[in-house]
Amino acid sequence: AQSVTQLGSHVSVSEGALVLLRCNYSSSVPPYLFWYVQYPNQGLQLLLKYTSAATLVKGINGFEAEFKKSETSFHLTKPSAHMSDAAEYFCAVSGAGGGNKLTFGTGTQLKVEL
Amino acid sequence: EAGVAQSPRYKIIEKRQSVAFWCNPISGHATLYWYQQILGQGPKLLIQFQNNGVVDDSQLPKDRFSAERLKGVDSTLKIQPAKLEDSAVYLCASSGQRGGVNEQFFGPGTRLTVL
Repeated sequence: AQSVTQLGSHVSVSEGALVLLRCNYSSSVPPYLFWYVQYPNQGLQLLLKYTSAATLVKGINGFEAEFKKSETSFHLTKPSAHMSDAAEYFCAVSGAGGGNKLTFGTGTQLKVEL
Repeated sequence: EAGVAQSPRYKIIEKRQSVAFWCNPISGHATLYWYQQILGQGPKLLIQFQNNGVVDDSQLPKDRFSAERLKGVDSTLKIQPAKLEDSAVYLCASSGQRGGVNEQFFGPGTRLTVL
């Protein structure tokens, strides 16, 4: 069985500060890992994905994430927060086999303050 | 390229009534997913179709939920009868590759309120 745990349901940062959203995974097979963003009243948009190539993955809007097998982590970072980054962020895992079923974490609401 | 379309965007019904949601995936995408997202939680997969066949419906409450994907394109998700705990956003997603890793593209969702 696969699962992800997102630490912190709410994170607040100042504009221009570092954004760090935490995700730890549990998987019995080599995982594929994803970060999605959800703006109010919208569907989910893929930020980035790890598919067993480079461990440091760069995504859209200046976000990146590093896969650390020893820590079973896939934390999302952005060097400088912008007001437009305020949204809910979901980490998700799927197995390397077929099916592509995504298992999502409970989400982290990011608030960006002036 | 047009995205995943869903309708209606919002629906309010009373418990024990029935409701149906419609999804039109991205053209050419063989795989279609329905997720349930309860407030404060991540999306949970209800059912996955590959073309018009069901791949995974292990978390679909089959006593009240049903879904179909006739002709392997559009899909409908039905709830009959609805319960209060069915209040959620129902997300449809589609993807375009067999196996491997591919991106799921999500529609805007249908927000269901059961009173």
